[in-house]
Amino acid sequence: QKEVEQDPGPLSVPEGAIVSLNCTYSNSAFQYFMWYRQYSRKGPELLMYTYSSGNKEDGRFTAQVDKSSKYISLFIRDSQPSDSATYLCAMSEGGSYIPTFGRGTSLIVHP
Amino acid sequence: DSGVTQTPKHLITATGQRVTLRCSPRSGDLSVYWYQQSLDQGLQFLIQYYNGEERAKGNILERFSAQQFPDLHSELNLSSLELGDSALYFCASSPRDRSSYNSPLHFGNGTRLTVT
Repeated sequence: QKEVEQDPGPLSVPEGAIVSLNCTYSNSAFQYFMWYRQYSRKGPELLMYTYSSGNKEDGRFTAQVDKSSKYISLFIRDSQPSDSATYLCAMSEGGSYIPTFGRGTSLIVHP
Repeated sequence: DSGVTQTPKHLITATGQRVTLRCSPRSGDLSVYWYQQSLDQGLQFLIQYYNGEERAKGNILERFSAQQFPDLHSELNLSSLELGDSALYFCASSPRDRSSYNSPLHFGNGTRLTVT
């Protein structure tokens, strides 16, 4: 079992939909949680960075962490075709800070 | 543009050969991280250098090695290449020896390696 599990998709939604992307993990030591967005032929770019449990909002994006269930989510409101990309979750322990990545979920937002 | 430069963008080579991938970090960043991305394994951490010294090691094969030079650019050397080494290789940089909220990883656009 991989430390971080993420459904590769693809997830196809119409423009304007609310998107939910999720990851589960097995390492209880993970304390820092990140979401990266990766466009085709590009490197990942950091979208959201959260510490411990709870919600964090940034514009149309909301990151949610439930450490008791070892489950994190990224919600995208009013999704746009420009949101079409692969979304990777990542997490790290307090001591090492080397992020462990999920495989990524491919999102397609069609007009 | 992340400010991290990777060359070459594409590399096609044969099994058994050796290649060198190059990374220039963002101006002012002292840490360089190397990741391998394949369809079945996702983004796998290989190795980190901080200010010229090896800082952390991940799932890096013995056939692979890296170094960081005094000007802070880094090279990843892959030898005795196998078909399974075909992947995207990403370099990332950060200002400090540990990534954090204030010091996140910034990725380059990768080198696509194809081993035939």
